[in-house]
Amino acid sequence: EPEVTQTPSHQVTQMGQEVILRCVPISNHLYFYWYRQILGQKVEFLFSFYNNEISEKSEIFDDQFSVERPDGSNFTLKIRSTKLEDSAMYFCASSPTMTRTRNGYTFGSGTRLTVV
Amino acid sequence: GENVEQHPSTLSVQEGDSAVIKCTYSDSASNYFPWYKQELGKRPQLIIDIRSNVGEKKDQRIAVTLNKTAKHFSLHITETQPEDSAVYFCAASINSGYALNFGKGTSLLVTP
Repeated sequence: EPEVTQTPSHQVTQMGQEVILRCVPISNHLYFYWYRQILGQKVEFLFSFYNNEISEKSEIFDDQFSVERPDGSNFTLKIRSTKLEDSAMYFCASSPTMTRTRNGYTFGSGTRLTVV
Repeated sequence: GENVEQHPSTLSVQEGDSAVIKCTYSDSASNYFPWYKQELGKRPQLIIDIRSNVGEKKDQRIAVTLNKTAKHFSLHITETQPEDSAVYFCAASINSGYALNFGKGTSLLVTP
């Protein structure tokens, strides 16, 4: 079964540093997303990406975050000037076109970010 | 924006019993309602989803019901097994290509 791949699985960084989280979505999916989950809390939407641009974003997604698609497969989330409260599990996800009626999102296994 | 409420936050049942988790949503434009199972330290995995043109959907021991008028939907797990123990999240979205708004999760414990 196709998978969404995320690297690294765990990232420890010092407060104020920049981190890059990487994702390889499922190859025939067109919609890509980043979510985060603070330990013990619900999964929160950050933004969605379609046709090489951000299509929807939440209030969490501010100037601290940026996204790139450096090639046709990789998808990166950059977090600048990390803060302690950025510590969370970050999930990448992808989904087929909106016209599909089955198979919603597929989540990656996540990157656990720890800011110290 | 969409607000999804989920109850209960914890649920403990004996093996073989049924478990029901309920969610309500606020945005009448939402029409896609997936349920995810998350085991400790792992990714959320889709277990079942329903769209607003359907009132009920079943997949073996799992069923989801949707009442669009009342804006609530429920997950039903029958004949629970210890391996059903996990955190279950409901979510709502305008469509499968849009943001998922998650509930806060229900920690289900199935005791042998």
